[in-house]
Amino acid sequence: QKEVEQNSGPLSVPEGAIASLNCTYSDRGSQSFFWYRQYSGKSPELIMFIYSNGDKEDGRFTAQLNKASQYVSLLIRDSQPSDSATYLCAVPSFYNQGGKLIFGQGTELSVKP
Amino acid sequence: DGGITQSPKYLFRKEGQNVTLSCEQNLNHDAMYWYRQDPGQGLRLIYYSQIVNDFQKGDIAEGYSVSREKKESFPLTVTSAQKNPTAFYLCASSATAQGFVGSPLHFGNGTRLTVT
Repeated sequence: QKEVEQNSGPLSVPEGAIASLNCTYSDRGSQSFFWYRQYSGKSPELIMFIYSNGDKEDGRFTAQLNKASQYVSLLIRDSQPSDSATYLCAVPSFYNQGGKLIFGQGTELSVKP
Repeated sequence: DGGITQSPKYLFRKEGQNVTLSCEQNLNHDAMYWYRQDPGQGLRLIYYSQIVNDFQKGDIAEGYSVSREKKESFPLTVTSAQKNPTAFYLCASSATAQGFVGSPLHFGNGTRLTVT
């Protein structure tokens, strides 16, 4: 089992819809979770982080964390074509990684006008 | 504005040559990292440094070397021993070494290396 897993996609949604991106992780000791957005050919940029169980909202983005089930999700409301990118989930790992961020392989999102 | 500068943006080299990628940050961050990204794949950690004059191997350190002589700078050398060096290389920094909570990473714009 990979330490951080995401569906690679592509996930295609129509403009204005809600896009739901999921990430599961294996290290129960992880306490913080990060979502990065990466446009094609560009570097990742941090869009959300969450530390506590439940939801965290920031504009059109909502991060949801369920530590018991070991998954974190990112919801994008009112999706726009400009949201089309790859979304990377990152989780600190403590098994043997000293707390370094482990990245999932990313989910490619395509928002169709 | 504070940030991370990687140079050059594109780099072309012949097989068998060593090449050094530059990474400079003015965010006053303690920790710096090098990642490699191949098409359609996630980020893989090459090396990281939590303090000046100290660095540790990541998951794919073979064929790479680094130095951390200054807090602001963390250059990466891709040696001829690296079997498949063509990739997108990303430098990142964080305010503190990733600990229990985890500090977010801030990335440079990347260097795309092509070796033929």
